[in-house]
Amino acid sequence: DQQVKQNSPSLSVQEGRISILNCDYTNSMFDYFLWYKKYPAEGPTFLISISSIKDKNEDGRFTVFLNKSAKHLSLHIVPSQPGDSAVYFCAASEGNFNKFYFGSGTKLNVKP
Amino acid sequence: ETGVTQTPRHLVMGMTNKKSLKCEQHLGHNAMYWYKQSAKKPLELMFVYSLEERVENNSVPSRFSPECPNSSHLFLHLHTLQPEDSALYLCASSQDGGGTGEYGYTFGSGTRLTVV
Repeated sequence: DQQVKQNSPSLSVQEGRISILNCDYTNSMFDYFLWYKKYPAEGPTFLISISSIKDKNEDGRFTVFLNKSAKHLSLHIVPSQPGDSAVYFCAASEGNFNKFYFGSGTKLNVKP
Repeated sequence: ETGVTQTPRHLVMGMTNKKSLKCEQHLGHNAMYWYKQSAKKPLELMFVYSLEERVENNSVPSRFSPECPNSSHLFLHLHTLQPEDSALYLCASSQDGGGTGEYGYTFGSGTRLTVV
C-alpha cells in the first residue's frame, strides 16, 4: 500500500514560468516531508524540507507548501529554468528518521 | 573522496551468479540504507543499519544479503537473483538515523543492476 503518491508522472513547463509538483499522502502521522531531485545517472539529492508545524518553507526559487488537512504537499519552482529538468521525489516520515516513504517521482521538463 | 560512493555503477549478472554491491560513505554518518528503485515505482526501503546493527529488514528475499562491517561501508550480496530484481539499487547514509531530519539522506549514484 503506497503511503506517498505522486500522481503526475511527468510535467512540462516553459522556462520562466512556475512549476508545481504535487504529492499526496495517506498517513496522518507523517510529520516531516522532503523533496529530492534526481538527474539521470545520479542519486537523488536533497532539495527542501518542511515539518508539520509549518505550512510553508521557502528556499530561493523553491517553496514547499503543506496542507495537513488535505494530506497534500506541493513544490513550487519559480521561475523555472532548463537546469531544473529532473525527476522530483517527495518523501515523508513519521518521526522515525530511519524510515522515509517515497513517492514514485514526477519527471519535470523545462523547455527553453 | 566525499559523499556516498557506490560501485559498480552498472552490473549485468546471470541468475546463477554471486555478486556484491559496495557502498562507502565519507561523511561520518552513523546510519546506512539500501533502497531499490524499479521503473515507475517509489523507492523501496530494503535495509537499515544504525551504528552497524541491522535495525530494519523490509521483508526482503534472502537472495539479498546485506553486510555492514563498519559505519563507513555497506555491502549488498546478491545470489541467484531473478530478472524482476533488475533495478537501480541506491545506498544512502545519514546521521542519527535520519540526518537530524532536516536533510534526510545523502544518496549515492546507485548501481544499475540487470539480471539476465
